[in-house]
Amino acid sequence: QVQLQESGPGVVKPSETLSLTCTVSGGSMSSYYWSWIRQSPGKGLEWIGYIYFSGSTNYSPSLKSRVTISVDTSQNQFSLTLTSVTTADTAVYYCARLGVAGELFDYWGQGTLVTVSS
Amino acid sequence: AIQLTQSPSSLSASVGDRVTITCRASQGISSAVAWYQQRPGKPPTLLIFDASSLESGVPSRFRGSGSGTDFTLTISSLQPEDFATYYCQQFNSYPLTFGGGTKVEIK
Repeated sequence: QVQLQESGPGVVKPSETLSLTCTVSGGSMSSYYWSWIRQSPGKGLEWIGYIYFSGSTNYSPSLKSRVTISVDTSQNQFSLTLTSVTTADTAVYYCARLGVAGELFDYWGQGTLVTVSS
Repeated sequence: AIQLTQSPSSLSASVGDRVTITCRASQGISSAVAWYQQRPGKPPTLLIFDASSLESGVPSRFRGSGSGTDFTLTISSLQPEDFATYYCQQFNSYPLTFGGGTKVEIK
């Protein structure tokens, strides 16, 4: 059974950089797309972007200028970097696996709350 | 980006009720829709893909239908564990987008 676990700081100061890592266990990263999604408090789901196991990426246009997703398959991890954060970036951040076609989220982490506050 | 509009945003229902949630896309997306269930404090879980295909392990009381721009999730007989928020998601094109969610509450 594939499992994903997010890790990283729970609080980030405005204008600084948010960095999260997702550790994948119970399966290989090969042939899959690995994604980040966020959910602002009491709000809906927003797709941030994905990275293919080989390293190619696709980002949401609304965040593209501030987002970088990277992968380290030797460590079974992928990471999210979001620069110049504001309070609007406060959210629960989920990592998730997209199926081989890059369409459906079939495994999710439990999520980690990141609060942007001074 | 393709926008998905869900209705209603919330509803109250009783155990045993039939519940219908709709999702309308801003442009035609064939059958490229999935439905997810999210319980409080938990990540979403996949229920339906390709508009009408049931994910393995999901009870048969969940049914998806539709194509083009209009999609429906129906729960034929609401069970206590079904009280949750439901989201549609389109995968016709990037960026992947979600509907705003429908919260199903106990009447």
